[in-house]
Amino acid sequence: GESVGLHLPTLSVQEGDNSIINCAYSNSASDYFIWYKQESGKGPQFIIDIRSNMDKRQGQRVTVLLNKTVKHLSLQIAATQPGDSAVYFCAEKSNTGGFKTIFGAGTRLFVKA
Amino acid sequence: NAGVTQTPKFRVLKTGQSMTLLCAQDMNHEYMYWYRQDPGMGLRLIHYSVGEGTTAKGEVPDGYNVSRLKKQNFLLGLESAAPSQTSVYFCASSKANTEAFFGQGTRLTVV
Repeated sequence: GESVGLHLPTLSVQEGDNSIINCAYSNSASDYFIWYKQESGKGPQFIIDIRSNMDKRQGQRVTVLLNKTVKHLSLQIAATQPGDSAVYFCAEKSNTGGFKTIFGAGTRLFVKA
Repeated sequence: NAGVTQTPKFRVLKTGQSMTLLCAQDMNHEYMYWYRQDPGMGLRLIHYSVGEGTTAKGEVPDGYNVSRLKKQNFLLGLESAAPSQTSVYFCASSKANTEAFFGQGTRLTVV
């Protein structure tokens, strides 16, 4: 299940199960959204993105859902693997914000073997 | 293709010392960013640049300065380091409205 840790929310899932990571974004003018994965000691890496004219986009084992009405993003990972253990961040961009990328707080995903 | 390269990777400073972190990208990106990440936290935007010769403040700009004299380089300066600036610093670059590519980070400790 999902719990709130000292700083980062944490999600623990069993290997092979599906994971759902949620994110609330702040700027209603944001029109581009990105999910990043950050492994320990490394910089964030791009996973998948979605623009505001879409509500769903699929990649390899990952799906992003966008609900603009409630300013909510989710990342779904199918058949979660131990290598998926990392911190996941959503980020938003807006051309009214000078295209700067603003990050959400992040969720730590633990995959139990 | 190197992508985004940050130097140095580690640094220890005494309170009051100054230093410059260098970020270089070889992707011809217009946008460059500096973030800080504190333990167990997300990334907070310090300053960013939308092109050569331009800079803008992010969420937490105080105590930092930046310069973008060349398109491929974005420098982050600390004029008088404070313990509160102990953090991991990440540089990133992007095209206008696409994903950002990140460097490997600089771990800075101010004692």
